[in-house]
Amino acid sequence: AQKITQTQPGMFVQEKEAVTLDCTYDTSDQSYGLFWYKQPSSGEMIFLIYQGSYDEQNATEGRYSLNFQKARKSANLVISASQLGDSAMYFCAMREGLGAGSYQLTFGKGTKLSVIP
Amino acid sequence: AAGVIQSPRHLIKEKRETATLKCYPIPRHDTVYWYQQGPGQDPQFLISFYEKMQSDKGSIPDRFSAQQFSDYHSELNMSSLELGDSALYFCASSGRGGTGELFFGEGSRLTVL
Repeated sequence: AQKITQTQPGMFVQEKEAVTLDCTYDTSDQSYGLFWYKQPSSGEMIFLIYQGSYDEQNATEGRYSLNFQKARKSANLVISASQLGDSAMYFCAMREGLGAGSYQLTFGKGTKLSVIP
Repeated sequence: AAGVIQSPRHLIKEKRETATLKCYPIPRHDTVYWYQQGPGQDPQFLISFYEKMQSDKGSIPDRFSAQQFSDYHSELNMSSLELGDSALYFCASSGRGGTGELFFGEGSRLTVL
């Protein structure tokens, strides 16, 4: 079964508008972390925001916020005031277990966001 | 601030040749990860090292091997290259504590002809 599901292969948003990118996850762990990464056409993976499973408040980082609904196992990314430079592929990822050691990220299939002027 | 350094950035090889990718993690990071991202695909975990020991293995083909050296840099060795190995190969590193965020390098793009 897919551990991370991103149901929107592509999204369009008008410049200066807000947009929500969906992400649902599947895990039986109590401790886990959820991440969003941005991948522009140049290819690098840029960390945007993190939400821990025990965090009671939704994470925010500048124009990015994470709408975390634990009971529904969803971790949607909200980008406010979209800019042309936000056009990119966005990946939701999960790290199961917390603590030292190697815990690799599992990625969703990604959502390609296009910002329209 | 220092980031994860990968080399080479671009590599072109023929089928059945061998390729080696290098990764220099962020200083004091103790874990290195290798990911493979095919065209239009999500990154797939290959292998990771924690304190220079292999810690997790993902979908890494038997033709590939990797190691982490005493200075914490890592190398991914790929032999008998196939057309399907053409991909963007990411190295990432993470440190102790914190969120466990992976810091990615800019990737090495391998093209197999």
